[in-house]
Amino acid sequence: QKEVEQDPGPLSVPEGAIVSLNCTYSNSAFQYFMWYRQYSRKGPELLMYTYSSGNKEDGRFTAQVDKSSKYISLFIRDSQPSDSATYLCAMSAGAGSYQLTFGKGTKLSVIP
Amino acid sequence: GAVVSQHPSWVICKSGTSVKIECRSLDFQATTMFWYRQFPKQSLMLMATSNEGSKATYEQGVEKDKFLINHASLTLSTLTVTSAHPEDSSFYICSARETGGAFGYTFGSGTRLTVV
Repeated sequence: QKEVEQDPGPLSVPEGAIVSLNCTYSNSAFQYFMWYRQYSRKGPELLMYTYSSGNKEDGRFTAQVDKSSKYISLFIRDSQPSDSATYLCAMSAGAGSYQLTFGKGTKLSVIP
Repeated sequence: GAVVSQHPSWVICKSGTSVKIECRSLDFQATTMFWYRQFPKQSLMLMATSNEGSKATYEQGVEKDKFLINHASLTLSTLTVTSAHPEDSSFYICSARETGGAFGYTFGSGTRLTVV
């Protein structure tokens, strides 16, 4: 079983839809949970990070972490064509020099 | 916000030659930088952790003599792919975190290496 599982998609939604992206993980040591957005041929950019369980909201984006289920989610409200990208979840056992473990990424297309 | 500059953005080289990729933190100091490799439709795979002033730590299966990492200053890490072969063709990405700063790893824009 891989440490982080993420459905690679692709996922296609109409503009304005609510998008739900998810990852599951097996390592209970993970404490920090991140979502990155990666456009084609570019490096990932950090969208949100969450420490331990709970919700975090930033504009149209909401990140949820359920450590008891080892399940994290990213919700995108009122999706826009500019949201079309690959979304990667990433996790770390700690801050500082701790390495990140990534999911495979979900490719999202928002159709105008 | 924190910016990581990575150069070149793409490079084509002949088989057997070496290629150097630079990763610079532009407005912050980074004690630790990370080098990743990404194949098409695959996730980022950590190759090595680069520590300023000391030897890099390589992940299992990564040849340290082939992928030379130098982290000579708090703002610069380099990855040299030595004696490159077509199977080394990939997307290489570095990341860094500001020493003592808020949580968050900033990634470079990546380098697409094609070995012909």
